Amino acid sequence: AQKVTQAQTEISVVEKEDVTLDCVYETRDTTYYLFWYKQPPSGELVFLIRRNSFDEQNEISGRYSWNFQKSTSSFNFTITASQVVDSAVYFCALTEYGNKLVFGAGTILRVKS
Amino acid sequence: NAGVTQTPKFQVLKTGQSMTLQCAQDMNHEYMSWYRQDPGMGLRLIHYSVGAGITDQGEVPNGYNVSRSTTEDFPLRLLSAAPSQTSVYFCASSRGTKTYEQYFGPGTRLTVT
Repeated sequence: AQKVTQAQTEISVVEKEDVTLDCVYETRDTTYYLFWYKQPPSGELVFLIRRNSFDEQNEISGRYSWNFQKSTSSFNFTITASQVVDSAVYFCALTEYGNKLVFGAGTILRVKS
Repeated sequence: NAGVTQTPKFQVLKTGQSMTLQCAQDMNHEYMSWYRQDPGMGLRLIHYSVGAGITDQGEVPNGYNVSRSTTEDFPLRLLSAAPSQTSVYFCASSRGTKTYEQYFGPGTRLTVT
């Protein structure tokens, strides 16, 4: 069965600090997709990134970067120079195909000014 | 494009009442899903559909029914509401095939007393 673990329930940082959100996953399939979603205080879910299991290249988008390591079944998310607007709940998710997303419990990130 | 829309935004039900949560998308997406979000548990899949006329159960289907008569609409029916169904419900859609990110609606906050 698929499983996603986000061991950090809540993280608090001061603005401009770097922060890494951990995601560890379990799957028996060789083909799968990993995602990160952001849920700001307003409640909507915002797609951040998708990564397939055959692409282990790290990705950087502005202040955001993702480190995918199949050897450790991890897909960690780093925010560089955090800002108050980064305060949100962040979810890591996994799917083998289409609809069946399996989510982690989420990490609450609080960025204080 | 309105994207994924959900109605109502808030609802209070009494135990035993039934109701339908509405979900519509205008992106011509094949895949649609319903998730529920509970504190500390992330999002869990209730039901999903891979196209009009085709639905299947997710992780937590008990107490819910769905149907998909059109590509655009995917209503979720609570047959006899129970306090355990108090949650935030999200509808999502995706193109399917090789594009797997799901676009989420704004959510419906349901309270069952």
